[in-house]
Amino acid sequence: GQQVMQIPQYQHVQEGEDFTTYCNSSTTLSNIQWYKQRPGGHPVFLIQLVKSGEVKKQKRLTFQFGEAKKNSSLHITATQTTDVGTYFCADTSGTYKYIFGTGTRLKVLA
Amino acid sequence: DAGVIQSPRHEVTEMGQEVTLRCKPISGHNSLFWYRQTMMRGLELLIYFNNNVPIDDSGMPEDRFSAKMPNASFSTLKIQPSEPRDSAVYFCASSTGTRSYNEQFFGPGTRLTVL
Repeated sequence: GQQVMQIPQYQHVQEGEDFTTYCNSSTTLSNIQWYKQRPGGHPVFLIQLVKSGEVKKQKRLTFQFGEAKKNSSLHITATQTTDVGTYFCADTSGTYKYIFGTGTRLKVLA
Repeated sequence: DAGVIQSPRHEVTEMGQEVTLRCKPISGHNSLFWYRQTMMRGLELLIYFNNNVPIDDSGMPEDRFSAKMPNASFSTLKIQPSEPRDSAVYFCASSTGTRSYNEQFFGPGTRLTVL
């Protein structure tokens, strides 16, 4: 079945450093969604990408969808302690069935 | 809107006991999902309801698990009998419509510990 892998699994950065997580699929992605889960919390929707090569920005966060729609990335510029959490990508596979990635756990050191 | 409501927030039980988790989706949402989250397996979809009807339960681990949605505002996930390997955080999520690109709104989760 389809697998959605994220790298790295863990990332520790100093506050102010940049951070990037990559989402890779074994099959072509339909639509990609990104979620953030704070420690002890629940996943919260961040954004959705639909088109090949699409780039969207939310303040310090930049989301990109690969040209071949087999990968996506989330880049955070100048991390802050509020960015701590686990970031998940999710592929909808063209149906209701969301395949969540393995997640990248970000820790920001003040 | 209060968001997706789940109860209880924490449940500790002994092996062999029945466990019932409850979920109230956001009003107006007609899709409901139950997920299980563990360190080893990540977020797994257990079952999906649309308009109160179970559409896909292929993620339900075994017959010990069952889920119901008697009306648009309530769903339950039952484990009977529970086993230690069922220990996990169980999330309920809801969304509007059936289109694949609707965002999902997650509840706060129920942390289940089976001793």
